[in-house]
Amino acid sequence: DQQVKQNSPSLSVQEGRISILNCDYTNSMFDYFLWYKKYPAEGPTFLISISSIKDKNEDGRFTVFLNKSAKHLSLHIVPSQPGDSAVYFCAASVYGGSQGNLIFGKGTKLSVKP
Amino acid sequence: DTAVSQTPKYLVTQMGNDKSIKCEQNLGHDTMYWYKQDSKKFLKIMFSYNNKELIINETVPNRFSPKSPDKAHLNLHINSLELGDSAVYFCASSPDRSSGNTIYFGEGSWLTVV
Repeated sequence: DQQVKQNSPSLSVQEGRISILNCDYTNSMFDYFLWYKKYPAEGPTFLISISSIKDKNEDGRFTVFLNKSAKHLSLHIVPSQPGDSAVYFCAASVYGGSQGNLIFGKGTKLSVKP
Repeated sequence: DTAVSQTPKYLVTQMGNDKSIKCEQNLGHDTMYWYKQDSKKFLKIMFSYNNKELIINETVPNRFSPKSPDKAHLNLHINSLELGDSAVYFCASSPDRSSGNTIYFGEGSWLTVV
């Protein structure tokens, strides 16, 4: 039972345009969400996060939007750069929980073409 | 300096063998994890240790035994390796066990059982 779903396994975008990566979750107890970026042969690295008390968090070219009623979040990258080409994982947890357990989606492979 | 380092990065071994993957973090974090990314690309938590104490043990066969000699190290020992154990194993750490903390991943250990 996937609690965090990334339904698009891949996405191709032209350099300079916007990349939108989507993530859906089913567990209404989740209230903290993160995006991780992963290059081949490397571990995932933290990109941006958002708590459920917000609906938007912005960090440079990266913005995460959260729609709690729809149990949906998205990552926007503007403008997209070739170096952004990687696999992006959405993750969720119960903030303040004692276990530190992140539930990950399967990832979306982003390709940014020059 | 690598914050979370794990060795070996690649390991090919025969069924039935026993192998270990070592992990060290130099971030001063209290909590360490082992995650497994299987052939379907799911990234799932296996174990979590906080200050050398086991706090998460997901449904993992007893053949997998984590060992934490100190809070900077969390090694994974696997007995009687099976074909299905082939996966990428990621070590990770976070400042403490709170779910609100960012988790920092190692580069991964690619295990192939033949």
